[in-house]
Amino acid sequence: AAGVIQSPRHLIKEKRETATLKCYPIPRHDTVYWYQQGPGQDPQFLISFYEKMQSDKGSIPDRFSAQQFSDYHSELNMSSLELGDSALYFCASSRRNGAGELFFGEGSRLTVL
Amino acid sequence: DQQVKQNSPSLSVQEGRISILNCDYTNSMFDYFLWYKKYPAEGPTFLISISSIKDKNEDGRFTVFLNKSAKHLSLHIVPSQPGDSAVYFCAASAKTSYDKVIFGPGTSLSVIP
Repeated sequence: AAGVIQSPRHLIKEKRETATLKCYPIPRHDTVYWYQQGPGQDPQFLISFYEKMQSDKGSIPDRFSAQQFSDYHSELNMSSLELGDSALYFCASSRRNGAGELFFGEGSRLTVL
Repeated sequence: DQQVKQNSPSLSVQEGRISILNCDYTNSMFDYFLWYKKYPAEGPTFLISISSIKDKNEDGRFTVFLNKSAKHLSLHIVPSQPGDSAVYFCAASAKTSYDKVIFGPGTSLSVIP
């Protein structure tokens, strides 16, 4: 069965650069979530989208923005990268059934040098 | 302020015995709880969930118990197998904000053959 696809899997950037992560949800899933997991930390909720509209927001820095496109894929844009942005970024998708069962991608590892 | 807590960072259990992973939450608005399992270099995988209208949900070797008055839930794995060795995340969501699933810090389970 198709899973959540994230790209790139690994990304290395310099401080102050910009990075874009992409997420392709499971077909027919209408909600996309972004999580950030720093070294030794739990996944921190960043932002979610339902039917291409932002549905909830967590601890997402102002330097980050995200959107969901008409084909339901989502992109997380990170600007003015800082060393502390180095983390594993997970995307998850679900169907809006009020259950909260998320299906995660394998993550995109961002390293900021 | 951590709304979902897993106070044991790690747990070691002998193969064949019961593994009990605990989770506490502070937000009384949470009404849906999930357990995720995560292997290294992979995204979290949904394991089992429970709604606040129930106090127990069972799926094969996995059982989740919910004690609403204590704001506590636990995951029981019986019998434990070496392949169960992974990080287990407790997660919760609220009816008012189902697109915001909050994760705990995780418990690393090692099942010793």
